[in-house]
Amino acid sequence: DTGVSQDPRHKITKRGQNVTFRCDPISEHNRLYWYRQTLGQGPEFLTYFQNEAQLEKSRLLSDRFSAERPKGSFSTLEIQRTEQGDSAMYLCASSLARLQGEQYFGPGTRLTVT
Amino acid sequence: GQSLEQPSEVTAVEGAIVQINCTYQTSGFYGLSWYQQHDGGAPTFLSYNGLDGLEETGRFSSFLSRSDSYGYLLLQELQMKDSASYFCAASIYNQGGKLIFGQGTELSVKP
Repeated sequence: DTGVSQDPRHKITKRGQNVTFRCDPISEHNRLYWYRQTLGQGPEFLTYFQNEAQLEKSRLLSDRFSAERPKGSFSTLEIQRTEQGDSAMYLCASSLARLQGEQYFGPGTRLTVT
Repeated sequence: GQSLEQPSEVTAVEGAIVQINCTYQTSGFYGLSWYQQHDGGAPTFLSYNGLDGLEETGRFSSFLSRSDSYGYLLLQELQMKDSASYFCAASIYNQGGKLIFGQGTELSVKP
């Protein structure tokens, strides 16, 4: 088991551009989560999937953000028309549904919007 | 709202024991998790308390008291590599494993 992986690790983009991040969870985990973390803060929940179904979205997730998990395996997070306030570390995590407090995080994608 | 409070910084010496406290105000509280995060790294799962009492995992122990809305992480035999940020995180009943994180406690271990 190679753990949770994320790609890319770093992304620099200009304001107004669209970006897409990918997350590959631990293979036997049926839950996948996206969080955002800024410097000096704890991770903030964005959304989560159970298998391919997106079951909850945070109010933090504006309509510029969309996430998919098309076959219940990997997931993508897209941000359209990026703003400077979107600059953050985007973390993906996965877990088994019955062990929801035990989440395994990927290394994150650091987004910088210039 | 939902919030977790923990000290922002703690300093201790190598070999000592340190306790990081966490108080929470969350409706529908389900359980309390602890995560470690080194600078530039991802959060790493340490411990979970679904029931009141103490959970022990090697040098780390975690405690939960639902009646006091309080938990703590206890680190024993501190090592330099334990210098990191520690987060408590609450999971909420019927909200599918979404974690609400505290602001984190930065632990500095001195020689």
